[in-house]
Parts: sequence; structure tokens; C-alpha cells
Amino acid sequence: EVQVVESGGGLVQPGSSLRLSCEASRFTFDDSVIHWVRQAPGKGPEWVSSFNWISTAVDYADSVKGRFTVSRGTARNSLYLQMSSLRHEDSALYYCAKTPFYYNSGILFWGQGTVVSVSS
Amino acid sequence: EIVLTQSPATLSLSAGERAALSCRASRSLGTDLAWYQHKPGQAPRLLIYDASNRAPGVPARFSGSGSGAAFTLTIYSLEPGDSAVYYCQQRSTSFGPGTKVEMK
Repeated sequence: EVQVVESGGGLVQPGSSLRLSCEASRFTFDDSVIHWVRQAPGKGPEWVSSFNWISTAVDYADSVKGRFTVSRGTARNSLYLQMSSLRHEDSALYYCAKTPFYYNSGILFWGQGTVVSVSS
Repeated sequence: EIVLTQSPATLSLSAGERAALSCRASRSLGTDLAWYQHKPGQAPRLLIYDASNRAPGVPARFSGSGSGAAFTLTIYSLEPGDSAVYYCQQRSTSFGPGTKVEMK
């Protein structure tokens, strides 16, 4: 069974930084696009970023552009989301998810998420 | 920026009925649209990718159609377990506001 596991969430103060990790078990990210999607309490999902493992192309939502950075780990099954200058509105459950590169739309495999709380 | 609108906001139906959920985009997406089912406490579940392709393991009573800027998710013969919020998503990026399907 395909599994994606997020870690690294926590409670931080506004303006601080946090790094989330995403690891895949029983597969690698070689043939995938890996996404970060977040969901604030009581709100719908919000796309944050997409990373194409093959081309290394990366896209960010306007709300996080310039503050969040996606990077690959040394292993073929790990990815990171470096978040800086965090704001209250960044508080959410952050999902890492992957999808086959040949899907033009749709995210197939989701983790269970890690919670980020930004509060003073 | 492409904006997605979904209608209706809430759909209240009985088991066995058919649900038709609409998603409209502010400009053409071709067929680059996905549908998800989202239940509380769970990660979203991909139902349909590329407008009309069922994701692995999704029952045949879930059907996606449309292209360009108008798309429909049809759930044939609703079951109690189908109560959820359904979201459309364009090109694996922005999501629509969702349609809540509830059972009468």
C-alpha cells in the first residue's frame, strides 16, 4: 500500500520558520508530482505547492510565494517544505500528497497531514 | 488566476437518488479538472481525474463529465456513506468552494 507521511508540524510564533518533511514508504517519488495542500479549521483545502520530481519544476500559490520553499531530500522518497515568515493565516493541517506525472489533474495519494499552528 | 465556482452549495437527497454537482471555471481548462470527496477527519479522496477518469478503486456510480469551463460530477444512486463535501480542483492547484451532500 502506498503511504505518504508528513512530519515537522508544531506551534510557532509569527515571523518564525518551520520545516515540514514528507516521506514515502514502499515507493519512490521518481515518477511523481508531489503536492503540499493545507486546510485551515472550518475551511476548504488550499493548494500550496507542486514539485515535479522528474523536471524539478516547482509552483507555489501566491499566498506563500517568496516565503515557502520546496526541496528534495537526498533519498528518492523524501521532500521538504521550508516555511519562513510564518503568519497566523498559515495555521492549518498540511498534507503532502503525490500523483503520477501523467495525470494532468488530480492528486491521488495523500498523507494524514501535520498540524502547523502560528500563534503568539 | 482561474476561479472555480461550485453549485449548489448544499444538496440534500435521499438514498438511491442521483446527485448532480456543478463546477464552473472562469476560463477554459480543457479537461484538466479533478473531483474529490472529503469527509471530516480524513484526507480528501480523489474520485475523478482529467474530467472523466475514475481514480483507482472508485465505484462506477461516480461519473465525471464536461470540458472547457463547465464540469459535472454525477453520483448515481446515492448511498448513506456518500455524505461529504465534494470539491473540484483545476490542474492540481486551486480548489472550488465545495458542495456539501447530505442525506435526507
